[in-house]
Amino acid sequence: DAGITQSPRHKVTETGTPVTLRCHQTENHRYMYWYRQDPGHGLRLIHYSYGVKDTDKGEVSDGYSVSRSKTEDFLLTLESATSSQTSVYFCAISEGREIADTQYFGPGTRLTVL
Amino acid sequence: QQPVQSPQAVILREGEDAVINCSSSKALYSVHWYRQKHGEAPVFLMILLKGGEQKGHEKISASFNEKKQQSSLYLTASQLSYSGTYFCGTDPLRGYGGSQGNLIFGKGTKLSVKP
Repeated sequence: DAGITQSPRHKVTETGTPVTLRCHQTENHRYMYWYRQDPGHGLRLIHYSYGVKDTDKGEVSDGYSVSRSKTEDFLLTLESATSSQTSVYFCAISEGREIADTQYFGPGTRLTVL
Repeated sequence: QQPVQSPQAVILREGEDAVINCSSSKALYSVHWYRQKHGEAPVFLMILLKGGEQKGHEKISASFNEKKQQSSLYLTASQLSYSGTYFCGTDPLRGYGGSQGNLIFGKGTKLSVKP
């Protein structure tokens, strides 16, 4: 199994509060991704990173920001959580992108915004 | 832009076969297949690249029709452990013929294998 951990694994928060989710890898892979998964939608890309301090937006980036100050850590922040951001969040890593490398997923974080 | 998977759900008896399809409106560089069990992370099954290269599990087979922008996943002699939701992730082709890099996932096909 790829060495990916996510924290916290479960979180309940209130509307309007800031929330930060952490993804940590031990594989030294260059690419890291944040997805959200909702019933009926599959996996949707929020943001991704192609190196330290190099990030870009995905399909559903509104309301989210990311940071990557070290190769091993990729943080996802909800500046002011809303109920529509209740979801399961998955982090993924891959060695490369240009040759369509395999993405390995972390265990997920279940976030509930009340 | 999201690929369309069919069927949405399928129920099998152990030992039966199934085919899951993934269809895109865009030309593709590659198609990725993942399986996800309830409450767990998606797990990689296969990558199919344009030009015919494949990599993935030995016991899983799949096809990729570049012209039709379609891929199919073949599950033969199904086992109870095959149960889960199967997702295809498509990697659209860039103008110069390379990978766009980010995957766009379908909504999934739920497979249930009964004893």
